[in-house]
Amino acid sequence: DVKVTQSSRYLVKRTGEKVFLECVQDMDHENMFWYRQDPGLGLRLIYFSYDVKMKEKGDIPEGYSVSREKKERFSLILESASTNQTSMYLCASSYYGYEQYFGPGTRLTVT
Amino acid sequence: RKEVEQDPGPFNVPEGATVAFNCTYSNSASQSFFWYRQDCRKEPKLLMSVYSSGNEDGRFTAQLNRASQYISLLIRDSKLSDSATYLCVVNMFSGGYNKLIFGAGTRLAVHP
Repeated sequence: DVKVTQSSRYLVKRTGEKVFLECVQDMDHENMFWYRQDPGLGLRLIYFSYDVKMKEKGDIPEGYSVSREKKERFSLILESASTNQTSMYLCASSYYGYEQYFGPGTRLTVT
Repeated sequence: RKEVEQDPGPFNVPEGATVAFNCTYSNSASQSFFWYRQDCRKEPKLLMSVYSSGNEDGRFTAQLNRASQYISLLIRDSKLSDSATYLCVVNMFSGGYNKLIFGAGTRLAVHP
């Protein structure tokens, strides 16, 4: 079974803090993705990576950055957290263009 | 127009009912289609891939209509445990990369 893990299930941060969300997959997948999910809006792609040290902007990259130093690990960074970044963050991985497997999600609250 | 559109529901059905969801997509070049299931406050999980000829997995049947650009999911003999949000997912090749586009989901509530 594919396993995707995320560093925290729940996180509370203050406005202006730098926030790191970590994601690790154990299936040697090339592709990794970060989404946020908000009620009524569905999943929106923030950033994705098709290889180590490679990153591409998704649909809503503003206010975020990513890092992929190793194949199995993909980190999402909120440089200066704001209240409108309160959301559920989901990491996913896949083999090339096939179905994606998701981690359990991190529910981030920025106060 | 959204790239993937679904009726948000909720669909409220009794146990044992048959229920169908439709989903339309805008990119005629899409090649891969999926249905995911998401339980409340949990991550999406792959329910089934959708093949050109249609496919069935137990009580679940998925069909693809390329000409009309829609995908359907049929659930027979609904169980209480089928209550969840069902996400329609379509691939899109853009900017040299293959991405999955998720619909906002259709909520199903099965009651006794």
